[in-house]
Amino acid sequence: DVVMTQTPPSLSVAIGQSVSISCKSSQSLVYSDGKTYLHWLLQSPGQSPKLLIYQVSNLGSGVPDRFSGTGSQKDFTLKISRVEAEDLGVYYCVQATHFPFTFGSGTKLEIK
Amino acid sequence: AVQLVESGGGLVQPKESLKISCAASGFTFSNAAMYWVRQAPGKGLEWVARIRTKPNNYATYYADSVKGRFTISRDDSKSMVYLQMDNLKTEDTAMYYCTAESLTTVFDYWGQGVMVTVSS
Repeated sequence: DVVMTQTPPSLSVAIGQSVSISCKSSQSLVYSDGKTYLHWLLQSPGQSPKLLIYQVSNLGSGVPDRFSGTGSQKDFTLKISRVEAEDLGVYYCVQATHFPFTFGSGTKLEIK
Repeated sequence: AVQLVESGGGLVQPKESLKISCAASGFTFSNAAMYWVRQAPGKGLEWVARIRTKPNNYATYYADSVKGRFTISRDDSKSMVYLQMDNLKTEDTAMYYCTAESLTTVFDYWGQGVMVTVSS
């Protein structure tokens, strides 16, 4: 199975600051069709997960452009510019290139 | 608006069976691959099962941890997806989320989850 290593496990940031979360996979996530099926989810407290970014860098529906995703092959980053209070929660990366689909262990974002 | 509503969770004893359901609306269900993802209390997310669409012969896929014990199925006429869970183990205790693949991407739509507790 593809192992997804997410760092850091937690972050504490002030409103208005920017943060980055890293996600590294044990194998390349480039599929045979040339696309990279690496996605980012946010699970707000007490809520179900929500899709933030799909295929590395595409914003999900209704997701503000303060969120951005970059990366390729095995190394990916989620960046949040100008953190807002509503951004708190646990962020997960997930790969959907190889079966079984696998998730990172999560990064908990707290607001100072 | 897209809605996924899970139901059927509860408390069962080890080795017992339970079937949970997910009612979908707001999108063309028959065109969407459907998934179950679970989250043990205080833990991260784990993909459990996938079922593809009719043109893909309703092909199913399972995590190794549930293979041979869980069965995913769907009823396109009712816009429903199910997870039959047999020979349940304490480690199957989790919130189970139904999630759908949109025209854009997998994991685009999520339900609110249903809790399954396996305990004697």
